[in-house]
Amino acid sequence: GAGVSQSPSNKVTEKGKDVELRCDPISGHTALYWYRQSLGQGLEFLIYFQGNSAPDKSGLPSDRFSAERTGGSVSTLTIQRTQQEDSAVYLCASRTRAGSTDTQYFGPGTRLTVL
Amino acid sequence: GDSVTQMEGPVTLSEEAFLTINCTYTATGYPSLFWYVQYPGEGLQLLLKATKADDKGSNKGFEATYRKETTSFHLEKGSVQVSDSAVYFCALRSFSGNTGKLIFGQGTTLQVKP
Repeated sequence: GAGVSQSPSNKVTEKGKDVELRCDPISGHTALYWYRQSLGQGLEFLIYFQGNSAPDKSGLPSDRFSAERTGGSVSTLTIQRTQQEDSAVYLCASRTRAGSTDTQYFGPGTRLTVL
Repeated sequence: GDSVTQMEGPVTLSEEAFLTINCTYTATGYPSLFWYVQYPGEGLQLLLKATKADDKGSNKGFEATYRKETTSFHLEKGSVQVSDSAVYFCALRSFSGNTGKLIFGQGTTLQVKP
């Protein structure tokens, strides 16, 4: 079946511009995560959505970062006034809710380059 | 807080050599443990997992055993192939904050030469 998809695959932007990154999770998966993979910080958690519950935003690095999930499916991660340190690969993952050991399935990522 | 430590790479091996990538963790309670692999130009894929102490996860010839006493989850393969060249990430599923988020190690690059 279809996996997690993300768009765009690559995004180059100028410092100070806003960007939006999109994630389409696996159909039926109620949990959705955003992670960031950067050279300096490795793989780090950003935000978590579960169904209609309030998201856990504890991993967002600054208030320039925000995310929403519409209709319990597609999610958009928005970075305002981008900085060069925001350059990274942004990964989305989804999982089902049944049980506590479910696997998170990752999308291919969006590579963001801030010039 | 929860954390994962992996051996630093890169690791360079000849084809058919034995592979060990060390991974240790610090966590509250008994987390599930995972190895993910990232092949060049591709996304993260689950390689194997273990959910409780003494469980052995295995896939594609790779194995890892959940050792509670040493808080370790070392990845092993008896005979590596060139196609195993990739970045390997050890991770734990954290129950902190009830999100189930993954905490990753820094990744270990494996290069297998023919």
